[in-house]
Amino acid sequence: DAGVTQSPTHLIKTRGQQVTLRCSPKSGHDTVSWYQQALGQGPQFIFQYYEEEERQRGNFPDRFSGHQFPNYSSELNVNALLLGDSALYLCASSFASGGRAGELFFGEGSRLTVL
Amino acid sequence: KQEVTQIPAALSVPEGENLVLNCSFTDSAIYNLQWFRQDPGKGLTSLLLIQSSQREQTSGRLNASLDKSSGRSTLYIAASQPGDSATYLCAVYPYSGYSTLTFGKGTMLLVSP
Repeated sequence: DAGVTQSPTHLIKTRGQQVTLRCSPKSGHDTVSWYQQALGQGPQFIFQYYEEEERQRGNFPDRFSGHQFPNYSSELNVNALLLGDSALYLCASSFASGGRAGELFFGEGSRLTVL
Repeated sequence: KQEVTQIPAALSVPEGENLVLNCSFTDSAIYNLQWFRQDPGKGLTSLLLIQSSQREQTSGRLNASLDKSSGRSTLYIAASQPGDSATYLCAVYPYSGYSTLTFGKGTMLLVSP
């Protein structure tokens, strides 16, 4: 059973560019959340998608947007990249209901470097 | 706003020692608490999930306890090994709303042979 998979694993962009990160949830999971982890910090919640809608959002600007597809996979898009967007972007998936409802399972992350 | 603090920020111990990592949170109205391990440049590996009705969880040499009323959790690692070297993160689930975790900054552990 594949866990949460993310792509690409590493990428380098320049300021002002746009980036798209992708996530496939763990089999059977229907909810996808995205987190940003700057170096030396704990992950910060960006947003969560359920039933193809953004269900909750953290304190991130509108430059950060996302999408969830009918197969529950998700994309994170960041426009007009800033140096401060350099971070490890983590995707997590979960069940919306169930015996252990809500436990998050994380992928290996996508390391974004903005030059 | 929930805030999670982990003490110490870094810890260096010789192999074989028992150790305790601490996590505190400001809002005691949490649902679950989870401990993760993170190796450098890698994603998060779940170690223990303490659900709302539980006060502790054990897995092998790891034991985590939770005291909601005092806003504290501890992760106990017995007989530490060099392979335990990693950053350990504590995260809390809100009591209401969805599974949006609030994380601490982590404790970086180095176990020397």
